[in-house]
Amino acid sequence: NAGVTQTPKFQVLKTGQSMTLQCAQDMNHEYMSWYRQDPGMGLRLIHYSVGAGITDQGEVPNGYNVSRSTTEDFPLRLLSAAPSQTSVYFCASREVGGTQYFGPGTRLTVL
Amino acid sequence: DQQVKQNSPSLSVQEGRISILNCDYTNSMFDYFLWYKKYPAEGPTFLISISSIKDKNEDGRFTVFLNKSAKHLSLHIVPSQPGDSAVYFCAMTTDSWGKFQFGAGTQVVVTP
Repeated sequence: NAGVTQTPKFQVLKTGQSMTLQCAQDMNHEYMSWYRQDPGMGLRLIHYSVGAGITDQGEVPNGYNVSRSTTEDFPLRLLSAAPSQTSVYFCASREVGGTQYFGPGTRLTVL
Repeated sequence: DQQVKQNSPSLSVQEGRISILNCDYTNSMFDYFLWYKKYPAEGPTFLISISSIKDKNEDGRFTVFLNKSAKHLSLHIVPSQPGDSAVYFCAMTTDSWGKFQFGAGTQVVVTP
């Protein structure tokens, strides 16, 4: 099993550009989520999904969209990047009551 | 308004000694608590957890303590090893789907 994979590992965007951070898991987990990690802030939940076709907002959803068309994939879209979205992004998946597994992260810089 | 606080951003400890990491929270509804370990350029990995019905859980060198009345969670690592050098996050949740709230993390450095 590859576990949770994320692409790209690094990305530099200009303000106003759009992009999609990819996340995939091969563990057949129902629950997937996106976090961002900022210095002194820990990890903050952006969006989460409890199954294909079901998504909801987390703590810091503004500026981000998600969709869940399959169990395996949970992409995160930035429609118009802003410098405040410079961060490290982690995708995670888990079964209900199970261990949460994180991907290796995407380091995003918005100029 | 941070509900979960790790007030020590860093901790230096000698190899073989005990590392004690602390985490305070404000929401009394949290009922499941975890510690994650994170190396640079990697995602966090699960370390140990405890539910609110317990006050202690051990797994090898790692012990987690929960004091619900004080709203305080701690992690003890005994003995500390150089490979324990990492950032440690506490996390907690109020629901079975696990919308976790994380602390800001504590950087642990274990010196020879």
